[in-house]
This record gives sequence, structure tokens and C-alpha cells, in this order.
Amino acid sequence: QKEVEQDPGPLSVPEGAIVSLNCTYSNSAFQYFMWYRQYSRKGPELLMYTYSSGNKEDGRFTAQVDKSSKYISLFIRDSQPSDSATYLCAMTQYSSASKIIFGSGTRLSIRP
Amino acid sequence: EPEVTQTPSHQVTQMGQEVILRCVPISNHLYFYWYRQILGQKVEFLVSFYNNEISEKSEIFDDQFSVERPDGSNFTLKIRSTKLEDSAMYFCASSELTSGLQDTQYFGPGTRLTVL
Repeated sequence: QKEVEQDPGPLSVPEGAIVSLNCTYSNSAFQYFMWYRQYSRKGPELLMYTYSSGNKEDGRFTAQVDKSSKYISLFIRDSQPSDSATYLCAMTQYSSASKIIFGSGTRLSIRP
Repeated sequence: EPEVTQTPSHQVTQMGQEVILRCVPISNHLYFYWYRQILGQKVEFLVSFYNNEISEKSEIFDDQFSVERPDGSNFTLKIRSTKLEDSAMYFCASSELTSGLQDTQYFGPGTRLTVL
């Protein structure tokens, strides 16, 4: 079983739709969860960081963590064409100085 | 806003040659990392570096790889004898190593390494 599993997509939705991106993981040692956005041939850019089960909201983005199910989600409300990118879920065991384990990324396209 | 920079953006080399990839981390950061992403695959951790020594390395980071902080600003990844399978995007990252709950790793734009 892979440590982190993420549907690679591609996922195409119309502008204004709600997008749901998901990952599952197998290692219960993971305690800190992140979502990165990556544009083509660029480095990953941190979007959201959570460390407890529940929801965390930042503008149009909501990150959800369910540690009991080992399942994390990212919701994007009122999606915009500029949100088109690859979204990487990521997780670490420790809060600092810890290697990040990434999912394979979901390629998202928002149609105008 | 401070950012991690990497040079060169694209490096082409012949198999068996040595390459050095360079990174300038964010100036007050203390922890440095290298990751790589083979085309179409996930971003993979290679090594972390703190206080002038390797903190952690993955099984990918074998004897062909080395890291160095030659001065107060640069952080380098050296591949001694490149193989075809080393072709990938190499990302440098740095973090502040705060005592708080969140220690964000900031990624550079990457160096695309092509081994022929």
C-alpha cells in the first residue's frame, strides 16, 4: 500500500464550481497535513497547513482532515481559471524540520 | 517577499559527468532540503541539512549525491557521476525552524536536469 494516495485526475470543472480534492494515507505517524499548488514547471507553493482533525478555512479554500479515516480533503469554492494547476497533498510526522511526503498530485483545470 | 532561488534553471549534461545544482535559501532560514520530481511522478524527498550536516536522507540519496553549504548563502547538491535516471526537476527548499506549530518549507522554482 502506498504511503499517500491521490487521484491524479485530470479534473475539469466550470468556473464557479466547488472543487473537492482528496488524499488517503496509510502511516498513522503523519500528524501535519498540507496542500501545495504547483504550476507547470514551477516549485510547489504552500496553500494550507493543518495539524488536527477538522476543518480549516482560508478564503475560498477549506482543508479538512480526518485522522481516524486517514483522509484529507481540499475544497475550493467559487473556482477561478487561475486556480488551474496541480494540487499536491503532503504530510509530515513532525511540525518542523521534517521530510515532506507528497501525493502524486491532481491536475485541475477550471473552464471559463 | 523573500524567496528561494535556484541556478541554473536548466542543466544538460552527459551521462557520467558531475553536476552541481545551486540554491540560495531564504536568508534567515536554518534548515535546507533537496527534493526531486521525475517527469510525471511525485515530488520525492532527497535530503535535509542543518547546522552543516545532513539531518536525514532518503534511500535515493546514495554515494553519488552530496550536499554542501560552501558559504553563508549558497546550498549545493552535487551529483558525482550522472545517470540517465537522474533526469528530473530538482527543488531546493528552506525553512526557518520555528519553535511554533508551523514550520513551512518554501520551495525554489527548480532546476531541470537532463542527462543525455
